Amino acid sequence: AQSVTQLGSHVSVSEGALVLLRCNYSSSVPPYLFWYVQYPNQGLQLLLKYTSAATLVKGINGFEAEFKKSETSFHLTKPSAHMSDAAEYFCAVSGPFYGQNFVFGPGTRLSVLP
Amino acid sequence: KAGVTQTPRYLIKTRGQQVTLSCSPISGHRSVSWYQQTPGQGLQFLFEYFSETQRNKGNFPGRFSGRQFSNSRSEMNVSTLELGDSALYLCASRERGLAEPPGSYNEQFFGPGTRLTVL
Repeated sequence: AQSVTQLGSHVSVSEGALVLLRCNYSSSVPPYLFWYVQYPNQGLQLLLKYTSAATLVKGINGFEAEFKKSETSFHLTKPSAHMSDAAEYFCAVSGPFYGQNFVFGPGTRLSVLP
Repeated sequence: KAGVTQTPRYLIKTRGQQVTLSCSPISGHRSVSWYQQTPGQGLQFLFEYFSETQRNKGNFPGRFSGRQFSNSRSEMNVSTLELGDSALYLCASRERGLAEPPGSYNEQFFGPGTRLTVL
């Protein structure tokens, strides 16, 4: 079965600082990986996805993530945090086989301090 | 294209009642999935519908059911509501081919959710 862990339920960074949100997955086959963001009282919005093409994936709002098979990781980064980045971030894994639906991680709440 | 829409946005019910939530997917998307989001359990998958058939189901009791219509719109029903059913219910749609398995590289597009409060 697939699973996702996100280290740190809450991460705080200063405005302009590097954002690093960690995601590790467990999957018996090469997975598809996604990062979603959720703003208060809203649904989830896709930031980026990995589907076995380039290992470094660029997304919206300046975010990017790198797929590292050896570490089973898909960490999300942004060089310089902005106040508007404050939200909850979810990593998700999916797989190519029947029965492998989306599995979401527990989420990481990002706070950006002025 | 218009996004995924969910109605109603907010709902207050009492224990023992039943509720029906509605979801209209993005035009052309035939797969609709439902999730329950709570502070304690996070995002939990309820079920996925494709071509009016339930294709996959999460670990929820039979009180949670759904259906999909020929226009891909979907409804979710919860009967005999319990306090623990209070949650944000999210619907997501995606493109999916008939022969494609549920696990897919096609991302899901989420609606704004229905906030259900059970008193």
